Amino acid sequence: GESVGLHLPTLSVQEGDNSIINCAYSNSASDYFIWYKQESGKGPQFIIDIRSNMDKRQGQRVTVLLNKTVKHLSLQIAATQPGDSAVYFCAEIVTGTASKLTFGTGTRLQVTL
Amino acid sequence: DAGITQSPRYKITETGRQVTLMCHQTWSHSYMFWYRQDLGHGLRLIYYSAAADITDKGEVPDGYVVSRSKTENFPLTLESATRSQTSVYFCASSPTAGVYQETQYFGPGTRLLVL
Repeated sequence: GESVGLHLPTLSVQEGDNSIINCAYSNSASDYFIWYKQESGKGPQFIIDIRSNMDKRQGQRVTVLLNKTVKHLSLQIAATQPGDSAVYFCAEIVTGTASKLTFGTGTRLQVTL
Repeated sequence: DAGITQSPRYKITETGRQVTLMCHQTWSHSYMFWYRQDLGHGLRLIYYSAAADITDKGEVPDGYVVSRSKTENFPLTLESATRSQTSVYFCASSPTAGVYQETQYFGPGTRLLVL
């Protein structure tokens, strides 16, 4: 079946630097993408989303970029903080198929002091 | 705003016992989901519900039963627990319509150990 994957399983970043977490997706029909953050012992937390009619969306310290040509999206975290340490994973879905949210396996972000 | 809650947060049981995990949401979201999360497998959908009294199987439904008599509750029952069902279980919900209708919001999880 279709799947969403991540390039890097672990990313180590120094506090204050910017982080970039990547995700590749394979379903060309997917038109909605979500980034989740999961801290140890907690449930996944919605961070930011983007629809396929956009190529960039910004939130508070986070930016998601979508490149439909190569089926790639990335999450950029500015001025990474210790509290950003978590597993981040992307998810994709085709609008209207509420049960078909497909999750990637995740990238662990480690913030060093 | 309580959001979505799960109980119990931790559960230890024995093989063959029946276990029910509870999920409650206060947003009146139409859709609710149950996932299990295991190392190496990520999140896998067990069952989902589009509305009260409407449920359907996900990717890994065997050994599980769900019901949804009320919109806000979506219990998951392991009829006869097996060791392979040791996992972290997450409940999620998503709204019917609107900009975020496909966005799923997750509960804190239930950590289940089957001995």
